[in-house]
Amino acid sequence: QKEVEQNSGPLSVPEGAIASLNCTYSDRVSQSFFWYRQYSGKSPELIMSIYSNGDKEDGRFTAQLNKASQYVSLLIRDSQPSDSATYLCAVNSWGKFQFGAGTQVVVTP
Amino acid sequence: KAGVTQTPRYLIKTRGQQVTLSCSPISGHRSVSWYQQTPGQGLQFLFEYFSETQRNKGNFPGRFSGRQFSNSRSEMNVSTLELGDSALYLCASSLEFRPEDTQYFGPGTRLTVL
Repeated sequence: QKEVEQNSGPLSVPEGAIASLNCTYSDRVSQSFFWYRQYSGKSPELIMSIYSNGDKEDGRFTAQLNKASQYVSLLIRDSQPSDSATYLCAVNSWGKFQFGAGTQVVVTP
Repeated sequence: KAGVTQTPRYLIKTRGQQVTLSCSPISGHRSVSWYQQTPGQGLQFLFEYFSETQRNKGNFPGRFSGRQFSNSRSEMNVSTLELGDSALYLCASSLEFRPEDTQYFGPGTRLTVL
């Protein structure tokens, strides 16, 4: 079992709709959680970080964390073609970063 | 603040050669991590350095090595290159390596082994 799991996609989302991405992790003592966006041929860029249970909103992005169920999700509202990318979930457990394989999102006009 | 920089951006080598990649972290960041990214394997953790000491290491053979200098700049070296070493090598820096610290990535070095 991989330590951080994501659906590989592609997740096809109509423009203007909500994209929902999920991530599960295996280490119960994981302490902080991150979502990165990576465009093809580019390096990952940080979208959001979340440390405590609940929701955290930043513009069109909302991260949700449920430590009891060991999952973290990312919602992208009003999806735009520029949101087409691979989204990486990262988990920090006692200072060690572990990444999921990423979910490819394709926003269709 | 300037971001994480990596040099060179592109490299072409042949099997059996060795290569050295360089990473300069964001000013004030003391932790530097290296990752290998390939289409089939995703982001794979190589190693992490803090205050010139390797603190964490991933599951890569000894051909992959690194070091960190007193100014936090880091290098990684791959000896006896193999075709499978072709990948995007990413460096990421963070203030330290605490749970709340965020990693910021450089643009990467794309290595092609022929």
